[in-house]
Amino acid sequence: KAGVTQTPRYLIKTRGQQVTLSCSPISGHRSVSWYQQTPGQGLQFLFEYFSETQRNKGNFPGRFSGRQFSNSRSEMNVSTLELGDSALYLCASSFGSGNTGELFFGEGSRLTVL
Amino acid sequence: AQTVTQSQPEMSVQEAETVTLSCTYDTSESDYYLFWYKQPPSRQMILVIRQEAYKQQNATENRFSVNFQKAAKSFSLKISDSQLGDAAMYFCAYRSDYDQGGSEKLVFGKGTKLTVNP
Repeated sequence: KAGVTQTPRYLIKTRGQQVTLSCSPISGHRSVSWYQQTPGQGLQFLFEYFSETQRNKGNFPGRFSGRQFSNSRSEMNVSTLELGDSALYLCASSFGSGNTGELFFGEGSRLTVL
Repeated sequence: AQTVTQSQPEMSVQEAETVTLSCTYDTSESDYYLFWYKQPPSRQMILVIRQEAYKQQNATENRFSVNFQKAAKSFSLKISDSQLGDAAMYFCAYRSDYDQGGSEKLVFGKGTKLTVNP
């Protein structure tokens, strides 16, 4: 069974631009979470979607937004990019039942902001 | 808010030996879940082992086992018979059982880079 797929894998943007990252969860999974990974801050929770509704949100500015579609695929958008947004963005999916707690991660989208 | 601390940024172990990675956490909750995730150089993170706080018995998965000390808020990972493929970043993570709407948000530690020497 296919794993979590994130696109694009690598991208380079300049300050002030915006970016959209995509995540296709494992078939049957209804929950999608996003994390930002940087050497300094480690892994930080951005937000979680379940059945097209945002179920939880981390402490990030409003420039970071996301959405989930009816097929459970999710996108996250970062507007007005800053140098500090350079990071590996990880998507994780699960059934969303909250019982097992196991998240399945994608390989990530590496964003570089110049 | 919950926090997770991994005090060992890097560890090394000889192949076939045993290594223990440390993790402490801070919470006022009584029900929660703890995890160890492994992130190899290819970056895809995978679950190593999971522990429910209400279970006193330490979780074990083949060569991986945990020492869960609830009162001390400690959750260490022991890797026995270390293999070259165990080389990776290891993250300790906490999940509340009280988050809104059954959220599966994880709070991660900063990670421990494990090197396995042949």
